[in-house]
Amino acid sequence: RKEVEQDPGPFNVPEGATVAFNCTYSNSASQSFFWYRQDCRKEPKLLMSVYSSGNEDGRFTAQLNRASQYISLLIRDSKLSDSATYLCVVNSGGGADGLTFGKGTHLIIQP
Amino acid sequence: DADVTQTPRNRITKTGKRIMLECSQTKGHDRMYWYRQDPGLGLRLIYYSFDVKDINKGEISDGYSVSRQAQAKFSLSLESAIPNQTALYFCATSDPRGPADTQYFGPGTRLTVL
Repeated sequence: RKEVEQDPGPFNVPEGATVAFNCTYSNSASQSFFWYRQDCRKEPKLLMSVYSSGNEDGRFTAQLNRASQYISLLIRDSKLSDSATYLCVVNSGGGADGLTFGKGTHLIIQP
Repeated sequence: DADVTQTPRNRITKTGKRIMLECSQTKGHDRMYWYRQDPGLGLRLIYYSFDVKDINKGEISDGYSVSRQAQAKFSLSLESAIPNQTALYFCATSDPRGPADTQYFGPGTRLTVL
């Protein structure tokens, strides 16, 4: 069974702080990895892909650790607008039915 | 204007009723998907379609059926709704020229079955 595990939180973080959370996956054959963002009662939207070498997009950094089977998301200088649920998504099969969504980590940035 | 639209946005119905949720997209994508999202369970795939003639079951297809009327339209039906089908339903598309991983979601339909 494909499993993607996330700490549901909530993570309560003061504005301007750095926050990081991880996601673990059980299928060692997983091929690609993503972080999606979902605002309350809204649809998920792709935040960033996660590459083996790690990647950065502005204040966001994603990393992959294949040996330990986890991916991470780091948010620097957090903004109030970063408050959302962050979904870890893993593609284990290469096809449409290979996507497994984590249950999400709820992040609350406090003023 | 939104690229992926869903109707209705909210629906309350009774057990045993037939319900159809509709999805339309203007992205020109061949691939379309239906998911449901439940609190504490994350997103789960119900059905997906790679083109008008292609329909595939996902993880939780029992109790659901779909119709791909055109490249731009993909409908989800609940033939006889039951309370445990109460959920938030999302339609999504992906670009056939890219990986199936990048999903573009519609705004969702909140369905309540009494």
